[in-house]
Amino acid sequence: SQQGEEDPQALSIQEGENATMNCSYKTSINNLQWYRQNSGRGLVHLILIRSNEREKHSGRLRVTLDTSKKSSSLLITASRAADTASYFCATDATDSWGKLQFGAGTQVVVTP
Amino acid sequence: EAGVAQSPRYKIIEKRQSVAFWCNPISGHATLYWYQQILGQGPKLLIQFQNNGVVDDSQLPKDRFSAERLKGVDSTLKIQPAKLEDSAVYLCASGDYNEQFFGPGTRLTVL
Repeated sequence: SQQGEEDPQALSIQEGENATMNCSYKTSINNLQWYRQNSGRGLVHLILIRSNEREKHSGRLRVTLDTSKKSSSLLITASRAADTASYFCATDATDSWGKLQFGAGTQVVVTP
Repeated sequence: EAGVAQSPRYKIIEKRQSVAFWCNPISGHATLYWYQQILGQGPKLLIQFQNNGVVDDSQLPKDRFSAERLKGVDSTLKIQPAKLEDSAVYLCASGDYNEQFFGPGTRLTVL
């Protein structure tokens, strides 16, 4: 079974708009990570947020984490066509050290 | 820095045949992972190695899948015999629980 569940499953936006996707998970975590996957570059690590952090930024990416609700969100600001990809959250659960569990992903399409 | 290398990139086989995938992790990475990614789903961990020892293989279908990591560097994943439901992309990754670096994957089609 997959620990993280992303919402929405698919998202279509225009260049310049912001894209927000959410991830819910079931158990206590050490950290939560977001990955991007496209046909050109495969699966790439974007950002990690630890369980004691609430918000983190990296370039145009903003990640929030609410451990009380067991949820996280990824915001991509000022999207570009190159952001077209599938985005996955992955959790490092406290009871399975070092083992990441991925959600099913959000497919994002950014049109020029 | 060289990334994670995998081969072959594509493989088509008939059901009940055998297939093997190869992975060369990033130099110096002690931990190596094999994932199975079925179309439309996220990657699912099959097996995790620390150096040449198995840390977790709880989701590896051991009746048909096997993996080894000789000398703590390269790794091979084998399926014998393959079933239709094994059609997927097999991803190799190295790194640790803070960040994993993925190879391009091997797309397996079982007919």
